[in-house]
Amino acid sequence: DTAVSQTPKYLVTQMGNDKSIKCEQNLGHDTMYWYKQDSKKFLKIMFSYNNKELIINETVPNRFSPKSPDKAHLNLHINSLELGDSAVYFCASSQDVSSNEQYFGPGTRLTVT
Amino acid sequence: AQSVTQLDSQVPVFEEAPVELRCNYSSSVSVYLFWYVQYPNQGLQLLLKYLSGSTLVKGINGFEAEFNKSQTSFHLRKPSVHISDTAEYFCAVTKFSGGGADGLTFGKGTHLIIQP
Repeated sequence: DTAVSQTPKYLVTQMGNDKSIKCEQNLGHDTMYWYKQDSKKFLKIMFSYNNKELIINETVPNRFSPKSPDKAHLNLHINSLELGDSAVYFCASSQDVSSNEQYFGPGTRLTVT
Repeated sequence: AQSVTQLDSQVPVFEEAPVELRCNYSSSVSVYLFWYVQYPNQGLQLLLKYLSGSTLVKGINGFEAEFNKSQTSFHLRKPSVHISDTAEYFCAVTKFSGGGADGLTFGKGTHLIIQP
């Protein structure tokens, strides 16, 4: 019955690799987000999608490419991973763009070595 | 743009004592305000939110917060804390109109440490 789920929970990889994180929500929401939480626990919005369309890209390097195959999924693909990409990535969803309440996934801890 | 300041990065409190976690925000437009809790190695859980109406809002786990527009604050309180309240607490805002598109703007978090 998980509302927002992410896979994998942990991801350890080497610099230069390409990896993907998947997110799915079963709430019937229209809007989905990706947030990055750095080593100091600071959370920052990366992207938001509404009905599969990108609406926000917060100065994220173009090595990060979100993809939304349908409203219930928002995946994050990262090319040429760097040490600084190590963080916890959270997916979230909300009813629509005017909704104020977001539901968060459990997070994916990415470690780049 | 909005910004959120959580004045204390870490707050140690004895068990059963009261606690207040401070949050101030800055915004040129009206905002909605939230407190989220993150337990160790877990995701974020919504504690409470202020949208409109009464400035005192009650949330889960015995927490409450008071919105003060003149002081642009939204401090979180609990009258008696428990060991299980040890966690990271985040204050967040989103703008009143169409804010969902912008996502949430978070403060840097306050680590609440409950001492036995």
